[in-house]
Amino acid sequence: NAGVTQTPKFRILKIGQSMTLQCTQDMNHNYMYWYRQDPGMGLKLIYYSVGAGITDKGEVPNGYNVSRSTTEDFPLRLELAAPSQTSVYFCASAPEEGHNEQFFGPGTRLTVL
Amino acid sequence: SQKIEQNSEALNIQEGKTATLTCNYTNYSPAYLQWYRQDPGRGPVFLLLIRENEKEKRKERLKVTFDTTLKQSLFHITASQPADSATYLCAPYNQGGKLIFGQGTELSVKP
Repeated sequence: NAGVTQTPKFRILKIGQSMTLQCTQDMNHNYMYWYRQDPGMGLKLIYYSVGAGITDKGEVPNGYNVSRSTTEDFPLRLELAAPSQTSVYFCASAPEEGHNEQFFGPGTRLTVL
Repeated sequence: SQKIEQNSEALNIQEGKTATLTCNYTNYSPAYLQWYRQDPGRGPVFLLLIRENEKEKRKERLKVTFDTTLKQSLFHITASQPADSATYLCAPYNQGGKLIFGQGTELSVKP
């Protein structure tokens, strides 16, 4: 199993550009999450999904959108990139909610200039 | 609001010693708490989960305690090795069932 994969690894955007961060898991997990991690800060939850077709906002959803059309994929969309969205983005999955470990992808480092 | 605090200063210890990392939380009482390890440029990796009624949990050289009175969890690595050098994240569950991550404590184990 590849686990959780994310693409791209790095990206530089100009202010106002759009992009989609891809996340795929091959563990048949129902729960998927998007976090951002700023230097010296903890991970902040952006959006999460409890299954295909179901998504909900986390702590910091503004400026982002998600979709979950399949169990495997959970893309994160940035519509109008802003410098405040410069961060490292992590996707994670878990078999169910409750108190299970989350499996994280390797991250996408995004810089908005 | 719910707040998680970990020691922001890096912890430097000698190989073979026990490393102790602290996680304090305020304004709520999580029933569960997880610890993760994060290496530079990588995603976090799950280490341990402890429930509020467990007080202490062990896994190989790792030990976690959970003191609901002090609102604190301690994470110990015994017989530390240079390979244990990483950032360790504390993550209690919030009242909505989501993890809240602390900012992490960087551990450096010198040979």
